[in-house]
Amino acid sequence: EAGVTQFPSHSVIEKGQTVTLRCDPISGHDNLYWYRRVMGKEIKFLLHFVKESKQDESGMPNNRFLAERTGGTYSTLKVQPAELEDSGVYFCASSRGGLAGGGNTGELFFGEGSRLTVL
Amino acid sequence: AQRVTQPEKLLSVFKGAPVELKCNYSYSGSPELFWYVQYSRQRLQLLLRHISRESIKGFTADLNKGETSFHLKKPFAQEEDSAMYYCALGTALPLGRGRWAGGTSYGKLTFGQGTILTVHP
Repeated sequence: EAGVTQFPSHSVIEKGQTVTLRCDPISGHDNLYWYRRVMGKEIKFLLHFVKESKQDESGMPNNRFLAERTGGTYSTLKVQPAELEDSGVYFCASSRGGLAGGGNTGELFFGEGSRLTVL
Repeated sequence: AQRVTQPEKLLSVFKGAPVELKCNYSYSGSPELFWYVQYSRQRLQLLLRHISRESIKGFTADLNKGETSFHLKKPFAQEEDSAMYYCALGTALPLGRGRWAGGTSYGKLTFGQGTILTVHP
């Protein structure tokens, strides 16, 4: 079974530019999450999709961040325009099901992360 | 608001010694606690969860609601245990939109800052 894949693995852009990160979850996983780890700080939740619907986007820092999951498969996270403080590692994770007792035990399967460096 | 604290950024032990990675949390509801681990050049993965009450790779963790702690322990550390360990708090969120209403999700995790464990030969 292929794991969660993220692209690109590393992106270096200048302040003001746009970057789009992509995540392909494990096939059949309805839940998709984005997390971020900024240098020296803890991993923080950004948002949660159930299929194509945004279930919780309370962790999105501001309106420069836009996440989509059209068709309920892969997801993209766009940062436009990027700022210096956006540098960090962006993790995507997925999990099964959406209902308690239906396979959603809380185990998240993480991708390797996309490292974003804004200069 | 929920919070997870891992007081040790770095922890070094010798092979065969006991190891304890500390984790404290604050949350007003009923918590679900997890330990995730990231080995060198690997992705973050679940090590264990408190609801399972299981031992994985010799590690155990007991949820102590009185002390709001979920410390990770292993009686005899091995070199291959060297990794970054994250304690995480999952809060049960009702899925309230559309056909997913009525379910719950534990995927919104609050992570601690992580502890780098180094086991020396």
